[in-house]
Amino acid sequence: SYVLTQPPSVSVAPGKTARITCGGNNIGSKSVHWYQQKPGQAPVLVIYYDSDRPSGIPERFSGSNSGNTATLTISRVEAGDEADYYCQVWDSSSDLPVVFGGGTKLTVL
Amino acid sequence: EVQLLESGGGLVQPGGSLRLSCAASGFTFSSYAMSWVRQAPGKGLEWVSAISGSGGSTYYADSVKGRFTISRDNSKNTLYLQMNSLRAEDTAVYYCAKTPLAYCGGDCYFDYWGQGTLVTVSS
Repeated sequence: SYVLTQPPSVSVAPGKTARITCGGNNIGSKSVHWYQQKPGQAPVLVIYYDSDRPSGIPERFSGSNSGNTATLTISRVEAGDEADYYCQVWDSSSDLPVVFGGGTKLTVL
Repeated sequence: EVQLLESGGGLVQPGGSLRLSCAASGFTFSSYAMSWVRQAPGKGLEWVSAISGSGGSTYYADSVKGRFTISRDNSKNTLYLQMNSLRAEDTAVYYCAKTPLAYCGGDCYFDYWGQGTLVTVSS
């Protein structure tokens, strides 16, 4: 089945830019979706179709996808952005069509 | 406002059964595919199953195929997950999630999630 690889953790100072990567074989040919999950809460969609933002998600959140890496970028990071972030794709050729990355813990220093 | 409210979780012995429900409101339920996604304690997200808006197409992760059955009652705006032959590794919070598509044939992602219901499989 298709595998998505995320770094376990990323740390960033407030006001700086955080970049969370999601690696997969030719992931640029797939649509990537990103979720934010804060402790004790359900996941929230923050980016869909590589770079689209749902209503209510700040413009500070952006996404890109090319080659073997997709990236979630959070500009001007705030303390409230501290959470786990998961990437996700649909792999129609797989027995496990909905695939999540292992998640990245974003720590705001 | 979209709302998804799961119920039916609890403690069950290995080999036992449980049925989860997800009551939906705030959108035209029959127009959208729905999924179950689970999260074991301290672990990441794992997709379990999906069903098209009409209920005519279903998808399962290999880890639950043959043991779990997803279904929906569009007249009651409710999604179900029948879980049989439960194992310790099925212990997790189970989330109901809405897809902004009628079916998951070309892509599948989740724009709204419920708060989850905890299933614990233990003797």
